[in-house]
Amino acid sequence: QQQVKQSPQSLIVQKGGIPIINCAYENTAFDYFPWYQQFPGKGPALLIAIRPDVSEKKEGRFTISFNKSAKQFSLHIMDSQPGDSATYFCAASKTGSARQLTFGSGTQLTVLP
Amino acid sequence: EAGVAQSPRYKIIEKRQSVAFWCNPISGHATLYWYQQILGQGPKLLIQFQNNGVVDDSQLPKDRFSAERLKGVDSTLKIQPAKLEDSAVYLCASSMYRGQGRSSYNEQFFGPGTRLTVL
Repeated sequence: QQQVKQSPQSLIVQKGGIPIINCAYENTAFDYFPWYQQFPGKGPALLIAIRPDVSEKKEGRFTISFNKSAKQFSLHIMDSQPGDSATYFCAASKTGSARQLTFGSGTQLTVLP
Repeated sequence: EAGVAQSPRYKIIEKRQSVAFWCNPISGHATLYWYQQILGQGPKLLIQFQNNGVVDDSQLPKDRFSAERLKGVDSTLKIQPAKLEDSAVYLCASSMYRGQGRSSYNEQFFGPGTRLTVL
């Protein structure tokens, strides 16, 4: 019940395309859903996050869509650029003293020039 | 602000040898985490510290892994003896809570990791 399932495993788009990465969760106690971006040789870095009281959050070219009833959330990258090529991880955590993150398995995104 | 520092960046050892990793978190971050990231997978939490106390070590293989955080700042993670399946990137992260109550969240900042290869 702690799992976060992420798809697809890899994704290739042309520059300017809109890649979409999907995640699904089981634990309804989760109340914070961040996305992390990881470049080769680097640690993950927080990209954008959402709480279940809103259905969408946008920061620059990155948008999270959240469907509470379906227990799913997704990341959309508008006008994707070759510099967006990286591995993206969704994660989830729940209120509590630990607030630990449970990560998805990751999506390797390649944006072709 | 300086990020999370880790060393070494790379380590190659033979199975059954021991190895230690070091982490220096962001100044003022009370919470520190060690994750194991196997190639092609998301980070898996090994242990979480709050100051110098352990919050959760339920996923730490305690027969071979140990970790400590002296004085609530730097931390070391040790593997002894190493197995082939320990080959992974070991990530350290630190965090501070933002917001209050139910609106609080935990932004974790990750170091670059140590890539361990066990031969």
